Amino acid sequence: DTGVSQNPRHKITKRGQNVTFRCDPISEHNRLYWYRQTLGQGPEFLTYFQNEAQLEKSRLLSDRFSAERPEGSISTLTIQRTEQRDSAMYRCASSLGGQGNEQFFGPGTRLTVL
Amino acid sequence: AQKVTQAQTEISVVEKEDVTLDCVYETRDTTYYLFWYKQPPSGELVFLIRRNSFDEQNEISGRYSWNFQKSTSSFNFTITASQVVDSAVYFCALSEARYGNKLVFGAGTILRVKS
Repeated sequence: DTGVSQNPRHKITKRGQNVTFRCDPISEHNRLYWYRQTLGQGPEFLTYFQNEAQLEKSRLLSDRFSAERPEGSISTLTIQRTEQRDSAMYRCASSLGGQGNEQFFGPGTRLTVL
Repeated sequence: AQKVTQAQTEISVVEKEDVTLDCVYETRDTTYYLFWYKQPPSGELVFLIRRNSFDEQNEISGRYSWNFQKSTSSFNFTITASQVVDSAVYFCALSEARYGNKLVFGAGTILRVKS
């Protein structure tokens, strides 16, 4: 257990529905990252926050995806109008600020879009 | 451009054999960080090691050792006397300070250790 929690752990939804995932980082970590991992691949960066500010979004993150971290702690990732290609493991990670600090990953939320 | 290549898709060894997992990276930055993560069958991602670009010293931790060579842009990982519990997917990753420390992962190497 890294201290980063995510829920739900599994989500099955029908195409076109909206889904929201939650990430609870390690309390003293001011950076929070979202990644997406598909079978046979390493995680791909989606977005990251420093405190409550969203500082970068990947080109992978279409306009159907949005992420928030309003109080600089818990974060949510929402996918609107889900598509089958959104099926993946969504992982969040947290780290201390500063250069090159290791990121600690949560267990992930596995999304299946039918 | 940031890129990490793990050319070995899958490696199978017999217990107690030594095994080396290769990692080659590309970056234009002079300040960067390299990582290895382990993903056991249970699915979590476990941090193993971090090195910065200014420290080329090799590191040993128990049965694990890492060889960082800037001249060949490689950061290889060796497990000595492998055990069945080492069976996992191993990911090498790169981050650059100017990109907010986001991690760029390789595709991973599946290591199977047979008893």
